[in-house]
Amino acid sequence: EAQVTQNPRYLITVTGKKLTVTCSQNMNHEYMSWYRQDPGLGLRQIYYSMNVEVTDKGDVPEGYKVSRKEKRNFPLILESPSPNQTSLYFCASREAGGAYEQYFGPGTRLTVT
Amino acid sequence: ILNVEQSPQSLHVQEGDSTNFTCSFPSSNFYALHWYRWETAKSPEALFVMTLNGDEKKKGRISATLNTKEGYSYLYIKGSQPEDSATYLCAFHFGNEKLTFGTGTRLTIIP
Repeated sequence: EAQVTQNPRYLITVTGKKLTVTCSQNMNHEYMSWYRQDPGLGLRQIYYSMNVEVTDKGDVPEGYKVSRKEKRNFPLILESPSPNQTSLYFCASREAGGAYEQYFGPGTRLTVT
Repeated sequence: ILNVEQSPQSLHVQEGDSTNFTCSFPSSNFYALHWYRWETAKSPEALFVMTLNGDEKKKGRISATLNTKEGYSYLYIKGSQPEDSATYLCAFHFGNEKLTFGTGTRLTIIP
């Protein structure tokens, strides 16, 4: 089954404790992306990757890091989480080029206290 | 940051009625316009990807039109059903690999 998986689905952590949210897709997609969703603000892009070892900042990259060492995986790293990073996070993937639909993971609900 | 605007923000529609809502986007450097359906507690799912001015796409009771010259797209739902209740997102792709999303139209179908 074609899918994007994320782990964990829910996470409560404390300020400053490094964490990683994993994302994996099995569709051989070149393009992967991370979004955060906050009430009233819609989906905002954090980082995206057009292929292995190629990553770029989205609209809200501060406080996040990513890596793309393998085509299928695109982890999101919060080196020192802060309460303003409490949000719902989605990973997504699609084929390169804008005319292809994007597939979203199930979401990760992160709370930073 | 490009602005993609959706209206209305929320909408209540009687079951069986038809409805439509709007996505507005910058008309320059257009590449593609995406529509997604997002049910509560799930992740967004693609409805349509539209690339050509005048494009019209249909999936069951849902259809969409695109006007790239004036920068808008309409999503239509015919004969609304309770399962159509969701937030409908549009996203604008303007020539690089980024998709910029609107804040969505939250549709509630009243039985």
